[in-house]
Amino acid sequence: DVKVTQSSRYLVKRTGEKVFLECVQDMDHENMFWYRQDPGLGLRLIYFSYDVKMKEKGDIPEGYSVSREKKERFSLILESASTNQTSMYLCASSSGQGRETQYFGPGTRLLVL
Amino acid sequence: QKEVEQNSGPLSVPEGAIASLNCTYSDRGSQSFFWYRQYSGKSPELIMFIYSNGDKEDGRFTAQLNKASQYVSLLIRDSQPSDSATYLCAIKGPSNTGKLIFGQGTTLQVKP
Repeated sequence: DVKVTQSSRYLVKRTGEKVFLECVQDMDHENMFWYRQDPGLGLRLIYFSYDVKMKEKGDIPEGYSVSREKKERFSLILESASTNQTSMYLCASSSGQGRETQYFGPGTRLLVL
Repeated sequence: QKEVEQNSGPLSVPEGAIASLNCTYSDRGSQSFFWYRQYSGKSPELIMFIYSNGDKEDGRFTAQLNKASQYVSLLIRDSQPSDSATYLCAIKGPSNTGKLIFGQGTTLQVKP
């Protein structure tokens, strides 16, 4: 079974803090994704990566950056957290070999005060 | 027009009934189609995927794809209260990026 893990289930941070969210997958997947999910807005893609050190902006990259130094790990960075970044953050991975089923981690619920 | 459209619901069905969830999409070049279930406060989990026109059955679930009409549906037979969740339709377009486009989801309520 594919396993995608995220470093924290719940996180509380203060405005202006730098926040790191970590995601690890154990299936040697090429692609990794970061989404945020807010009521009424659905899943929105922040960034994705299709290879080590490769990344592409998604639909809402402003205020975020990412890092993928190793194939299994994809980090989302909030450079200076703001209250409007309070959300559920979901990481996903897919094999990158055609059909592209995405498998999700358990999510991190971030509260920025 | 949104790329992937779902009725947000809630769709309410009695226990034991068939629940029918629908999704339409705009890109005729779309290749792969997925249904995810998401319980409140949890992450999406894959239920089914379908690539070819027609029906695909897995237990109580049947996915139906009609590329000519650009819709994909999910039927849940013998609905149970544990099926109450939000169901997300996701579609892979013709690009090679691996990105999926998600609908906003339909909330299903199965009443005992």
